[in-house]
Amino acid sequence: GENVEQHPSTLSVQEGDSAVIKCTYSDSASNYFPWYKQELGKRPQLIIDIRSNVGEKKDQRIAVTLNKTAKHFSLHITETQPEDSAVYFCAASRSSGDKLTFGTGTRLAVRP
Amino acid sequence: NAGVTQTPKFQVLKTGQSMTLQCAQDMNHNSMYWYRQDPGMGLRLIYYSASEGTTDKGEVPNGYNVSRLNKREFSLRLESAAPSQTSVYFCASSEFAADTEAFFGQGTRLTVV
Repeated sequence: GENVEQHPSTLSVQEGDSAVIKCTYSDSASNYFPWYKQELGKRPQLIIDIRSNVGEKKDQRIAVTLNKTAKHFSLHITETQPEDSAVYFCAASRSSGDKLTFGTGTRLAVRP
Repeated sequence: NAGVTQTPKFQVLKTGQSMTLQCAQDMNHNSMYWYRQDPGMGLRLIYYSASEGTTDKGEVPNGYNVSRLNKREFSLRLESAAPSQTSVYFCASSEFAADTEAFFGQGTRLTVV
């Protein structure tokens, strides 16, 4: 089955700096890669996703890049703000697949 | 719309007791999932139901059973709770398959003593 590895497990940045979280996956058939944000005590919520037919996708301060050859994808957050502090999960699945496999999460702390 | 609703929010069980976690969605989604979240382990899939009438094991199914009661409801049962099942449980649903956005419930914090 799919195995998703996520690094780093914790990340601390100064407000205004950029943050990068990296994930690798094992199943070459995976082609859907979402990112979820979970604030303390809350439920995970989708913030951005990318499919294998594109290499990069942006949404305001958030971007995701995908390298299918190397089987890795990354989340980039620019101009970080305190409200970006949360746990971020990457995930992977096949198109029309039944299972979404999550990484182990990255706890991001943005220092004011 | 309420989205995905789980009950209860908190529960304490004694070892060996049984309980059922309830989950309902009002988005007419076909697929429903149960995850557990443990520190440093991320979200691990327990069971899923790709469509009404079907259920399948995920990554960590031992000690659990599920029922897809109808399109809206997907319950998770612990027949004989063990301390290793202390965790936060999330129900989720998605419109069609795992490559569509998953909407999560608010979670159930379960402690087994």
